[in-house]
Amino acid sequence: AQTVTQSQPEMSVQEAETVTLSCTYDTSESDYYLFWYKQPPSRQMILVIRQEAYKQQNATENRFSVNFQKAAKSFSLKISDSQLGDAAMYFCAYKQTNAGKSTFGDGTTLTVKP
Amino acid sequence: DAGITQSPRHKVTETGTPVTLRCHQTENHRYMYWYRQDPGHGLRLIHYSYGVKDTDKGEVSDGYSVSRSKTEDFLLTLESATSSQTSVYFCAISGSETDTQYFGPGTRLTVL
Repeated sequence: AQTVTQSQPEMSVQEAETVTLSCTYDTSESDYYLFWYKQPPSRQMILVIRQEAYKQQNATENRFSVNFQKAAKSFSLKISDSQLGDAAMYFCAYKQTNAGKSTFGDGTTLTVKP
Repeated sequence: DAGITQSPRHKVTETGTPVTLRCHQTENHRYMYWYRQDPGHGLRLIHYSYGVKDTDKGEVSDGYSVSRSKTEDFLLTLESATSSQTSVYFCAISGSETDTQYFGPGTRLTVL
């Protein structure tokens, strides 16, 4: 079974600084998808970024980018120019291509200090 | 935002009573999912559906059943609620096996 590990239960960053959240996963598959979701205090799960495993180029979405290392099975999220609104719990998720379901990590709580 | 609603949004019930949570989508997506979220465990899959009347178990399916009689609705039933089922329940949808999952607003269930 696939597993997703987020080794940092909590992280903090100063406003306007950069922070990196770590995620590693275990799979024997070669084709899959990886996601980062954000869950603010409102509890709504919001997609931050998505990466297809067959793409070598790292995905980016404005201030959010990933460092995808397929051989190392690592998928970290970098948040640049952190803003107070980035404070939330962040979840890393893995989805196998030929199966509909996803596996989630336990989450990292990000605090942004003014 | 994806058109996903969950009802009820909050529920308090007593041990041993049946509970049904409803997920409704307006996106005509094929896949629907039920997760539970507990402190320290992230999201864990309970059951999912890959079409009308087609469902499968997730990693924490014991004590739960599901039904999907039409594309837009996916019901999660606790036949006899227990205190260990106190949790926040999320519904999610996706259009295909490769599509992103989009989540509903969640239901907070408390079993006394």
